[in-house]
Amino acid sequence: EPEVTQTPSHQVTQMGQEVILRCVPISNHLYFYWYRQILGQKVEFLVSFYNNEISEKSEIFDDQFSVERPDGSNFTLKIRSTKLEDSAMYFCASSESAPGNTIYFGEGSWLTVV
Amino acid sequence: GESVGLHLPTLSVQEGDNSIINCAYSNSASDYFIWYKQESGKGPQFIIDIRSNMDKRQGQRVTVLLNKTVKHLSLQIAATQPGDSAVYFCAENIHPGGSYIPTFGRGTSLIVHP
Repeated sequence: EPEVTQTPSHQVTQMGQEVILRCVPISNHLYFYWYRQILGQKVEFLVSFYNNEISEKSEIFDDQFSVERPDGSNFTLKIRSTKLEDSAMYFCASSESAPGNTIYFGEGSWLTVV
Repeated sequence: GESVGLHLPTLSVQEGDNSIINCAYSNSASDYFIWYKQESGKGPQFIIDIRSNMDKRQGQRVTVLLNKTVKHLSLQIAATQPGDSAVYFCAENIHPGGSYIPTFGRGTSLIVHP
């Protein structure tokens, strides 16, 4: 069964450092998403991406965040200067072309900022 | 404020019992709802969805009920098994700016005792 894959599974970084989280969405999907989940809290929407541009973003997705689809398969989330409060599980997700289709999530990348 | 919420943060049941997990939503414009299951350390996994033109949908051992009058959603799991132990999230697709963005509730932890 096709799945969304994410790397790394766990990353520890120092405060102020840049982090890039990588995702390979399901191959025939055209909509891509990043969500995050702080430990013990709900899953929060960060950004959606379609046709090589951001289609929606939340208040959390400020200037320190950026997304990119550098090639035909990868979808990345960059955090430019990490803060302690960025420590969370980051989930990549994708869905088929039509809006409203089911979103499939990856296993997540656990980011710890120290 | 939070537009999707859950009535019970933890639900404990005996193996073989039926489980009912409830969810309230406040956005009357929401037209698509999804239940996700999240096991420890994993990403949300799609269980079942329902569109607002339906009031009931059945899957394998699961049933979702939608009551638009009171903005209430429930997930029923028949013959609950230990493998069903997880956190269950309801998510609603809203239309900020025309895009579908699943917005998650806080989650209910289902504990199944053998």
